[in-house]
Amino acid sequence: KAGVTQTPRYLIKTRGQQVTLSCSPISGHRSVSWYQQTPGQGLQFLFEYFSETQRNKGNFPGRFSGRQFSNSRSEMNVSTLELGDSALYLCASRDRGLSYEQYFGPGTRLTVT
Amino acid sequence: DAKTTQPTSMDCAEGRAANLPCNHSTISGNEYVYWYRQIHSQGPQYIIHGLKNNETNEMASLIITEDRKSSTLILPHATLRDTAVYYCIGQANFGNEKLTFGTGTRLTIIP
Repeated sequence: KAGVTQTPRYLIKTRGQQVTLSCSPISGHRSVSWYQQTPGQGLQFLFEYFSETQRNKGNFPGRFSGRQFSNSRSEMNVSTLELGDSALYLCASRDRGLSYEQYFGPGTRLTVT
Repeated sequence: DAKTTQPTSMDCAEGRAANLPCNHSTISGNEYVYWYRQIHSQGPQYIIHGLKNNETNEMASLIITEDRKSSTLILPHATLRDTAVYYCIGQANFGNEKLTFGTGTRLTIIP
């Protein structure tokens, strides 16, 4: 099976802009989670979607949002970008209910200037 | 979620067994111990998990103490490709997808 794919891999945006990142989970996986990784804060959970519904949410401002489509693909959006949003954004998928492990994609490296 | 404590960094000679400790003294009865690793600039990779019995798979072995307050991840024959940051996570499984990563242990395999 193909792994988790994320697009784009690299992105440069300016402050105030908005950005949309995409994640395609492993075929058959219906749960998609998003994480932010920065040198200062490490890996932090953003949110999780299952069957097009947000099931869990981390402590991030409302500028961070997401959605999931009927084919389990997911997008996350960040509006009004700030310099501190520069990070590696990771997506992970899981076959909810059958296995415990999450499979991570390679991430999208977002740089805000 | 259980708070975990890991050494910041460790070195291991190539070909030797790498033993990575983790303390999770506040772990509750329904929380599993998960191990993930992250090789530079890649997404984390699942290694192994366990509840109270020792576990082994093709990548590693997990030894959990009887009181479940600590565990050790063992990479039996470390290679240079095992150089990574290793995360130990205490996590309940049912209905909870969030993984709470700590700072992990930076393992360096020395040739």
